Amino acid sequence: DGGITQSPKYLFRKEGQNVTLSCEQNLNHDAMYWYRQDPGQGLRLIYYSQIVNDFQKGDIAEGYSVSREKKESFPLTVTSAQKNPTAFYLCASSATGGGQPQHFGDGTRLSIL
Amino acid sequence: GESVGLHLPTLSVQEGDNSIINCAYSNSASDYFIWYKQESGKGPQFIIDIRSNMDKRQGQRVTVLLNKTVKHLSLQIAATQPGDSAVYFCAENLREYGNKLVFGAGTILRVKS
Repeated sequence: DGGITQSPKYLFRKEGQNVTLSCEQNLNHDAMYWYRQDPGQGLRLIYYSQIVNDFQKGDIAEGYSVSREKKESFPLTVTSAQKNPTAFYLCASSATGGGQPQHFGDGTRLSIL
Repeated sequence: GESVGLHLPTLSVQEGDNSIINCAYSNSASDYFIWYKQESGKGPQFIIDIRSNMDKRQGQRVTVLLNKTVKHLSLQIAATQPGDSAVYFCAENLREYGNKLVFGAGTILRVKS
């Protein structure tokens, strides 16, 4: 089945630690996205990539980093500079061009120890 | 006190009734809209989309209506079932900002059996 796989489902971060969230897709989509979801709020864009080896900051990129070395993969690192990392992180992908739906993985819930 | 953002609007309907979920969007230049369904602990699931050159689009048990005059979008679910219980949110495509999707906070749908 085609889809987006996020791992792990739950992740705990210690003080001063960087953690990396995995996102893999086999939909052959060029564009990939990372969002943060907090209770009662809409999704906020962290980073996005429209093609391999290229990515742009979203609305809340501070304290996060990404890479896009392969079309299928778009890992997100939550660095120690992100002071409020507890949230539900969602990865999505889409075909490029206007008017394309984004398809989501099932998320990673990150908590602070 | 608690943040207003933590309290999503809730719609409670009886099983078998029709549901109407509303969404106000922000940008009159938005050209594409999507409705998503999100169950607890899962990623958003695509339901239906509509382009700005249309007023209405129907899917299986769902209908989306677009009123560009008042920047309003609605999702109608026919014969609502317990499995429809979830958070529903709309997204608008901002073409002038590189086809960025902006998401609403959502509405909780509770189906009573």
